[in-house]
Amino acid sequence: EPEVTQTPSHQVTQMGQEVILRCVPISNHLYFYWYRQILGQKVEFLVSFYNNEISEKSEIFDDQFSVERPDGSNFTLKIRSTKLEDSAMYFCASAWVYGYTFGSGTRLTVV
Amino acid sequence: RKEVEQDPGPFNVPEGATVAFNCTYSNSASQSFFWYRQDCRKEPKLLMSVYSSGNEDGRFTAQLNRASQYISLLIRDSKLSDSATYLCVVSGISNFGNEKLTFGTGTRLTIIP
Repeated sequence: EPEVTQTPSHQVTQMGQEVILRCVPISNHLYFYWYRQILGQKVEFLVSFYNNEISEKSEIFDDQFSVERPDGSNFTLKIRSTKLEDSAMYFCASAWVYGYTFGSGTRLTVV
Repeated sequence: RKEVEQDPGPFNVPEGATVAFNCTYSNSASQSFFWYRQDCRKEPKLLMSVYSSGNEDGRFTAQLNRASQYISLLIRDSKLSDSATYLCVVSGISNFGNEKLTFGTGTRLTIIP
């Protein structure tokens, strides 16, 4: 069964540092997403990406966040200057007609 | 009012019991409805879509009441492997598969041997 692959599985970074979370979506999917889940809280939408541009973003997705699909296979989420409150599980997802597939997530810990 | 509201539980039920979860959503324009399952520190996984006519998949039955903006999930003959958090999820108007998902906080279920 096709998978969405995320790397790294766990990232520890110091406050103020930049991080890049990486995702390889399923190859024939056209819609890409990032969600996050703070420990003990609900899964929250961050951003959707289609046709090489952002199609929707949430209030959480401020100027510190950016997404990119640099080479037609990878889909990245960059956080420019991490804050303690960015500590969360970040899930990438891709979708086509038959629905979403989520990656196994990257646990980001900001210290 | 929360967009998607669920009883957080926890529900602790004996193996073999029947358990029901409920969920309400606030956006009457929501078009697609799902139950996802999430194991501890893992990604959400689709359990089943929910249709207005109701649908069943083995021991799982889902119902949707659009008038009341209410979704339910029934698990019969519960197994130890059903222990997980069950997420009620809705999405908006668009072709299926290209809209953002709005998640409830989830209901934690533990099946007791």
